Amino acid sequence: GENVEQHPSTLSVQEGDSAVIKCTYSDSASNYFPWYKQELGKRPQLIIDIRSNVGEKKDQRIAVTLNKTAKHFSLHITETQPEDSAVYFCAASEGVNAGKSTFGDGTTLTVKP
Amino acid sequence: EAGVTQSPTHLIKTRGQQATLRCSPISGHTSVYWYQQALGLGLQFLLWYDEGEERNRGNFPPRFSGRQFPNYSSELNVNALELEDSALYLCASSNRDLNTGELFFGEGSRLTVL
Repeated sequence: GENVEQHPSTLSVQEGDSAVIKCTYSDSASNYFPWYKQELGKRPQLIIDIRSNVGEKKDQRIAVTLNKTAKHFSLHITETQPEDSAVYFCAASEGVNAGKSTFGDGTTLTVKP
Repeated sequence: EAGVTQSPTHLIKTRGQQATLRCSPISGHTSVYWYQQALGLGLQFLLWYDEGEERNRGNFPPRFSGRQFPNYSSELNVNALELEDSALYLCASSNRDLNTGELFFGEGSRLTVL
């Protein structure tokens, strides 16, 4: 089955700096890669996703890049703000069939003011 | 529009007992997923139901089971509870017709096994 590894497990940055979280996957059939943000005590929420026919996708301060050959994808957050502090999860699945998503173990991002 | 709702919010049981957790998906969503989130760990996939059928199952023992009702709500049952079952159980739903893949999560049910 699919295996998703996520690094780092914790990340601390100064407000205004950039943050990068990386994930690798094992199943070459995976073609949908969402990222979820879970604030403390709250539910995970989708913040951005990318499909395998696209190499990069941006939404304001967040972007995701995908390297299919190397089987890795990354989340980039620029100009970080304290409200970006949360746990971020990457996931990989074959198709947009969420029932087959495999999640990474999460990255706890702390943005220091 | 109401989001995914889960009950109970908290549940305390003792070893060997059974726990039942409930989930109501977003209206119009036919797929329901269950995940276990142990403290400090990621989201471990438990079960996926769609149109009343179990479609996929994660690497959990058979004492984790569930079902989906005709109104698409779902129930997760955990039998013979063990201490390591203590976790936050998250339910999510999706609309497969939209083909977006986005999971909409509930707030979770925190199960504590003593």
